[in-house]
Amino acid sequence: EPEVTQTPSHQVTQMGQEVILRCVPISNHLYFYWYRQILGQKVEFLVSFYNNEISEKSEIFDDQFSVERPDGSNFTLKIRSTKLEDSAMYFCASSEILADEQFFGPGTRLTVL
Amino acid sequence: QKEVEQDPGPLSVPEGAIVSLNCTYSNSAFQYFMWYRQYSRKGPELLMYTYSSGNKEDGRFTAQVDKSSKYISLFIRDSQPSDSATYLCAMSAGGATNKLIFGTGTLLAVQP
Repeated sequence: EPEVTQTPSHQVTQMGQEVILRCVPISNHLYFYWYRQILGQKVEFLVSFYNNEISEKSEIFDDQFSVERPDGSNFTLKIRSTKLEDSAMYFCASSEILADEQFFGPGTRLTVL
Repeated sequence: QKEVEQDPGPLSVPEGAIVSLNCTYSNSAFQYFMWYRQYSRKGPELLMYTYSSGNKEDGRFTAQVDKSSKYISLFIRDSQPSDSATYLCAMSAGGATNKLIFGTGTLLAVQP
């Protein structure tokens, strides 16, 4: 069964460093999303991406964040200068069409020291 | 008022019990409703997807949506210890992005 994959599973970084989180969505999906979940809190929307453009971003997704689809299979989230409060689980999701189920990856746990 | 409200639990039931999980919401524009299951430090796993009001059944799971009351439910019949997890409701207004708004999740423990 096709699934969303994410790498790495755990990333530890120093405050101020850049990190890139990687996702491989399900191959025929066209809509891509990043969500995050701070430990003990709810899953929060960060950004949606379609046709090589951001469709919508939340207020969390400030200038320190960027997304890219560098090739036909990967979808990345970059945080330019990490802060302590960026520590969270980051989930990638994808859907085949717009009003459709979103399938989530296993997540990347980001720890900022 | 929060957009989506969900009792965090924990909810503890004996094996074989019927479990009822619920969410309420305030945004009348929501029209797509989902239930996800999440094990500790894992990604949300889609269980049920419903459009607008009505019921949907899949095996031991039944999802109900009552848009007039802004209330959604997930029923689990014949609950098993393997059902022990956090259950997240999520919903979307559709539109240009279909971003999901999640509840806080309900922690369920099914005791053998």
